[in-house]
Amino acid sequence: DAGVTQSPTHLIKTRGQQVTLRCSPKSGHDTVSWYQQALGQGPQFIFQYYEEEERQRGNFPDRFSGHQFPNYSSELNVNALLLGDSALYLCASSFSARSNQPQHFGDGTRLSIL
Amino acid sequence: AQRVTQPEKLLSVFKGAPVELKCNYSYSGSPELFWYVQYSRQRLQLLLRHISRESIKGFTADLNKGETSFHLKKPFAQEEDSAMYYCALSNQAGTALIFGKGTTLSVSS
Repeated sequence: DAGVTQSPTHLIKTRGQQVTLRCSPKSGHDTVSWYQQALGQGPQFIFQYYEEEERQRGNFPDRFSGHQFPNYSSELNVNALLLGDSALYLCASSFSARSNQPQHFGDGTRLSIL
Repeated sequence: AQRVTQPEKLLSVFKGAPVELKCNYSYSGSPELFWYVQYSRQRLQLLLRHISRESIKGFTADLNKGETSFHLKKPFAQEEDSAMYYCALSNQAGTALIFGKGTTLSVSS
């Protein structure tokens, strides 16, 4: 089991552009969460998807949006990129149907904004 | 406000010395507490959670609701314990995690 996989590994964009990051959950997991980790900080929750709908959302602007597909994979989209969006974006998956199952993290996508 | 505080950015100890990584939290309700660890060049992984009440790799953590703390302890540190440690909370496992800023543990011989 490869666990949670994310692509791409690294990405460089310029201000104002749009970006899409992808995540495949661990086998058997149906819930995907996205986190932003700025340099020197802990991960910060962006949102969570379950049954193709956004179930929870953190304190992030509408420029951050997402999608979950029928196969449980997910995308994170960020529009109108700002320099402050430079960070490591982590995807985590879990099995929500079973109570109290913790989240498993991927390696992340390093996004750099020039 | 919901918050996790890890007061130490870096903790350096010698091999064989006791280790305590501090974590305090602010949360209205009964949160679930976790410790995640990230070893060099590896992904973030769950170390332990308070409801399990188990020892993982010699580490234990006790939830103190009166002091709102969840400190991570190990009686004898090993060099392979060197890593970044994050304390986190949620209202239920699988839902949004709130992380602290992390503590780097460095164990030297």
